[in-house]
Amino acid sequence: ETGVTQSPTHLIKTRGQQVTLRCSSQSGHNTVSWYQQALGQGPQFIFQYYREEENGRGNFPPRFSGLQFPNYSSELNVNALELDDSALYLCASSLDSAGVRFFGPGTRLTVL
Amino acid sequence: AQSVSQHNHHVILSEAASLELGCNYSYGGTVNLFWYVQYPGQHLQLLLKYFSGDPLVKGIKGFEAEFIKSKFSFNLRKPSVQWSDTAEYFCAVNGHSGSARQLTFGSGTQLTVLP
Repeated sequence: ETGVTQSPTHLIKTRGQQVTLRCSSQSGHNTVSWYQQALGQGPQFIFQYYREEENGRGNFPPRFSGLQFPNYSSELNVNALELDDSALYLCASSLDSAGVRFFGPGTRLTVL
Repeated sequence: AQSVSQHNHHVILSEAASLELGCNYSYGGTVNLFWYVQYPGQHLQLLLKYFSGDPLVKGIKGFEAEFIKSKFSFNLRKPSVQWSDTAEYFCAVNGHSGSARQLTFGSGTQLTVLP
């Protein structure tokens, strides 16, 4: 059974640029959620997708957007990057919206 | 929307000491409760969960947690910690309906176990 994978591992961008992060769900999982984890803090929920539709969103501006594909993999897009967007971005997959989340290793984004 | 409070930011213990990490949440409806652990250099992994039934749940590596509904608490315990338990511990809550159907984390507790 393949776990959750994320790419890239690390990324450095400059302010104002755009970034796309990718996530492959664990086999058989149809729900994927994304989180931002700043240094020294707990993960903050960004949004969640169930069968290609967004079914939950946290307190993040519209420049954070996402997609879920028919194979249940997912993308997180962030436009107009700001310095405060520097963080570890985590993807998690699950069987439903209330169950156990299985997390990937994360993508470390640095915005200069 | 729900919120989670973890009262201890950093806990330092010696090996064989007992551990209790506090977690309180605020949400009026039905919730699923979780403790996740992040070992140094590794990704978040599930330690234990509570969905329903017996409020005392057991997880991996000798950890357990007790759900006390009247106190909105889900404290994590271990009778005797080991050096390998050094990690960051996160309590999380997931509501069942509407905008609560998201996993909300506390700010985490860094546990350091001294050999």
